[in-house]
Amino acid sequence: EPEVTQTPSHQVTQMGQEVILRCVPISNHLYFYWYRQILGQKVEFLVSFYNNEISEKSEIFDDQFSVERPDGSNFTLKIRSTKLEDSAMYFCASSEADMGKETQYFGPGTRLLVL
Amino acid sequence: QKEVEQDPGPLSVPEGAIVSLNCTYSNSAFQYFMWYRQYSRKGPELLMYTYSSGNKEDGRFTAQVDKSSKYISLFIRDSQPSDSATYLCAMISTNFGNEKLTFGTGTRLTIIP
Repeated sequence: EPEVTQTPSHQVTQMGQEVILRCVPISNHLYFYWYRQILGQKVEFLVSFYNNEISEKSEIFDDQFSVERPDGSNFTLKIRSTKLEDSAMYFCASSEADMGKETQYFGPGTRLLVL
Repeated sequence: QKEVEQDPGPLSVPEGAIVSLNCTYSNSAFQYFMWYRQYSRKGPELLMYTYSSGNKEDGRFTAQVDKSSKYISLFIRDSQPSDSATYLCAMISTNFGNEKLTFGTGTRLTIIP
C-alpha cells in the first residue's frame, strides 16, 4: 500500500540553525501539507501546497518557514533559523485531487529537537 | 470557545466492550469530518471520513455525525487490545481556499485484555 515517507525520523539542531525536513508524498497525490504537533498538544496545520504554490498557510507559518517541491517526488519544509519553540513532531500529508482535501494521508513524522 | 473540543481521556475499557469517542465543534462551516488513529510517536492514520449527518460503518467502526448539534462520534465494537491508541477527530470547512484540517486534542484509549 502506498504511503507518505519522511526523513529524517529524528533531527537535533542548535537554535539559530537551518533545518530541512523532507517528505515523499504518495505518488499520484497532488495536494501536500505540513502539520506539526508539539509534545502533549494537538496537531496544528502549517501550510498546504498545490500546483507548485502555497494555497493556504497558518499564522505559525511565518517568514522563517518555507516549502518547496524541488523535483517530481520530494516536498520539503525549511526552517531558516530555528527557535526553541520549533521543537515538535512535523508531519507531512498528501491527498488526491479527485478525492479532495478531506482524505489527507500522513507520514510517520520527523521529531525535531532544538537545543 | 475552542473550534473543536474532544475529551482527552484517558479512557480504559475491557476487551470486547463498545467504545464511544466524541467531539463537539462550534464552526458551522465544518462540513467534512474525519477520525484518525495515532499510535505513540507515529503519524495519524486515517480511519474514516464522512460529510453527511447520520452513520457510516466500516467493519467494527461506525462514524456518526449530527450537524444540528455540532457533535460527532466514533464507535468501536468488539474492541481489541490493538485498538489502544489516541483517537483524533478532525474537521475541514467548505470555505473556498480552506484546506486545513482542524484537529481535536485526541482521546487516549486503552483496551484492557
